[in-house]
Amino acid sequence: GAVVSQHPSWVICKSGTSVKIECRSLDFQATTMFWYRQFPKQSLMLMATSNEGSKATYEQGVEKDKFLINHASLTLSTLTVTSAHPEDSSFYICSAVPGYITYEQYFGPGTRLTVT
Amino acid sequence: AQSVTQLGSHVSVSEGALVLLRCNYSSSVPPYLFWYVQYPNQGLQLLLKYTSAATLVKGINGFEAEFKKSETSFHLTKPSAHMSDAAEYFCAVSAVSGGYNKLIFGAGTRLAVHP
Repeated sequence: GAVVSQHPSWVICKSGTSVKIECRSLDFQATTMFWYRQFPKQSLMLMATSNEGSKATYEQGVEKDKFLINHASLTLSTLTVTSAHPEDSSFYICSAVPGYITYEQYFGPGTRLTVT
Repeated sequence: AQSVTQLGSHVSVSEGALVLLRCNYSSSVPPYLFWYVQYPNQGLQLLLKYTSAATLVKGINGFEAEFKKSETSFHLTKPSAHMSDAAEYFCAVSAVSGGYNKLIFGAGTRLAVHP
């Protein structure tokens, strides 16, 4: 139980284009989802917190106009990287929180984004 | 504010040897603590968690961790390393911020297991 999926698992896009990453909780409802970014050989950096039906809350220093987050339903959150640049290349990981255990996060497998 | 320090960015052990990965935390409230494992190009998998019940916590794959309040530590151990244990390990503490339970991660420890 408590499975989280991400799609795509890896994506290559050209500079200036936008790319959307989906995060789905497959067997539970998640009122809250988190988006992280991970650079090579580094820890996870929290980018934003998304809540179903409301605006995402971004961490300090994260550009909300570049990283658009939409928590469309209790099982789906999307991260759109707009006007991507090579420095946006990274590993993006989402996590989802079941409504019944608010302190525990279940992580997706991650999405590798490469911007050329 | 809560924080986590993982001592040793790289740990190397022989197969069959004891694994010890160190984690110290800082928290102004009783903490929830977690250990996660990450294999290359994959997400995080929960190994074990401490949520104020038993101080010795047993997890998956033979790992365990002991919560020591006096030492503010939550070290991860495994009696006998296996080649498949080679991965990145993250210690994390739960912190309430903006009304959400967020995770504060340590920098990670890369475990290498050699024959």
